[in-house]
Amino acid sequence: EVQLVESGGGLVQPGGSLRLSCEASGFTFIDYWMSWVRQAPGKGLEWVAIISQVSSEKYYVDSVKGRFTISRDNAKNSLYLQMSSLRDEDTAVYYCARDRRPAEYGGLAVWGQGTTVTVSS
Amino acid sequence: DIVMTQSPLSLPVTPGEPASISCRSSQSLLHSNGYNYVDWYLQKPGQSPQLLIYLGSKRASGVPDRFSGSGSGTDFTLKISRVEAEDVGVYYCMQGLHMQGLQTRTFGGGTKVEMK
Repeated sequence: EVQLVESGGGLVQPGGSLRLSCEASGFTFIDYWMSWVRQAPGKGLEWVAIISQVSSEKYYVDSVKGRFTISRDNAKNSLYLQMSSLRDEDTAVYYCARDRRPAEYGGLAVWGQGTTVTVSS
Repeated sequence: DIVMTQSPLSLPVTPGEPASISCRSSQSLLHSNGYNYVDWYLQKPGQSPQLLIYLGSKRASGVPDRFSGSGSGTDFTLKISRVEAEDVGVYYCMQGLHMQGLQTRTFGGGTKVEMK
């Protein structure tokens, strides 16, 4: 079964740090770019970051540049999001999603169940 | 940055009747390869989003054929030929165009579909 499972969410104070993880199974992880998408309470979806198969390319939404770092460990079939200098507005459910392959675009075809990050004092 | 604008914000629907959602992008999503890099997603209440349509008009695996995507350039439409009760939720369009070496994604604001 193709699956993504996020973990690492929790309550953190403003200015603090948190590392999210996403473990993939059921597909060849190294074949795909991977994305993080978040959803603030009662709001719509916001794309956060994307990473290429071998981590050579990383792109971020402007609001997290310099604060968030996306990474992956292909040996562990895992995706990460290191979040620092967290703000109230980073409070959201964070989803990892399977993105494109180099020569094939197929949308965000696989999503995890999400992990909740709450930034509050 | 590419901005995606959806309309309407809310769409009351009647089971068995058709429904349509519009999405407009601030830049053309038509790639030189002939594909439009726009997707449609449905987020049912309490669930993660699910892919319905990619590359403008290609249905994702397992998606019923009552869902169809159309459009090119900057104007796109998701149509449901006959709405069913299980189709309620929030629909999002998303651009996935790669240009000038950049890979970014942008979602529209969402359209909430609910039964009348």
